[in-house]
Amino acid sequence: AQSVTQLGSHVSVSEGALVLLRCNYSSSVPPYLFWYVQYPNQGLQLLLKYTSAATLVKGINGFEAEFKKSETSFHLTKPSAHMSDAAEYFCAVSRALYGGATNKLIFGTGTLLAVQP
Amino acid sequence: SQTIHQWPATLVQPVGSPLSLECTVEGTSNPNLYWYRQAAGRGLQLLFYSVGIGQISSEVPQNLSASRPQDRQFILSSKKLLLSDSGFYLCAWSIGAGELFFGEGSRLTVL
Repeated sequence: AQSVTQLGSHVSVSEGALVLLRCNYSSSVPPYLFWYVQYPNQGLQLLLKYTSAATLVKGINGFEAEFKKSETSFHLTKPSAHMSDAAEYFCAVSRALYGGATNKLIFGTGTLLAVQP
Repeated sequence: SQTIHQWPATLVQPVGSPLSLECTVEGTSNPNLYWYRQAAGRGLQLLFYSVGIGQISSEVPQNLSASRPQDRQFILSSKKLLLSDSGFYLCAWSIGAGELFFGEGSRLTVL
C-alpha cells in the first residue's frame, strides 16, 4: 500500500535561505508523486508532480523536487525563501482506483513553513 | 478554463442537525470528483469519490454521504451531525488519473 511520510511538521527558515521540505514515500509500484501548497483557510494548489519522466521536477514559484528511487524520497526545495512562501506543504502519492480510471491521492500530514524576516 | 466552487465557505451547526455542502465544476465534462476532509495535524482523508453521475464510492465508513445528481455537481450530506464531523472539507476534481484540483474548502464547526 502506498503512503508518504513528511519529516518535520514545522520548519522555519530565514528569508533568502534554502528551503528543504522532506518527503519519503512507500509504494509497491512506480509512484506518481505530488507536492501541494495550502495557504490559510484555502484549498490546495499543485506545486509540481512527478510522473516517471525526468527525476528533477520543476514547479511553480521557484520550487523543485527530485525523485530518488534508491532513497524513496521526493524532497521539495527552493534556493531562496520569500515571505510569501509561508504556508503548509503537503506531499502526496497516487494510488489508482476503479481500474485506473481515477486515482486517490494519499497525503502526508503536512509541513508548516515559516519564513522569518 | 476550469473552475471549482464550494459553498458555504463557513458553517456552524448544532449536533444532530443536517448538513449539505455543495461543489460544482465549470469548464470540463465528466470529471472525477472527490470529497476530502482535513483535520488539524492529520493531513487529508479521502471520504468519497465519483467517476460519473450517480456513481459514488466511499473510502471510510462514517456519518456522511455523497451524491452526484449532475455531471459537474457533487454534494456532501449528513442527516445528523456529530461533533467529530467538524473539519475543513475540500472538494476536488480530476480528469482520469491526473492531478487533483481543489476548491477553496468549507469549514464546518459542529457545536
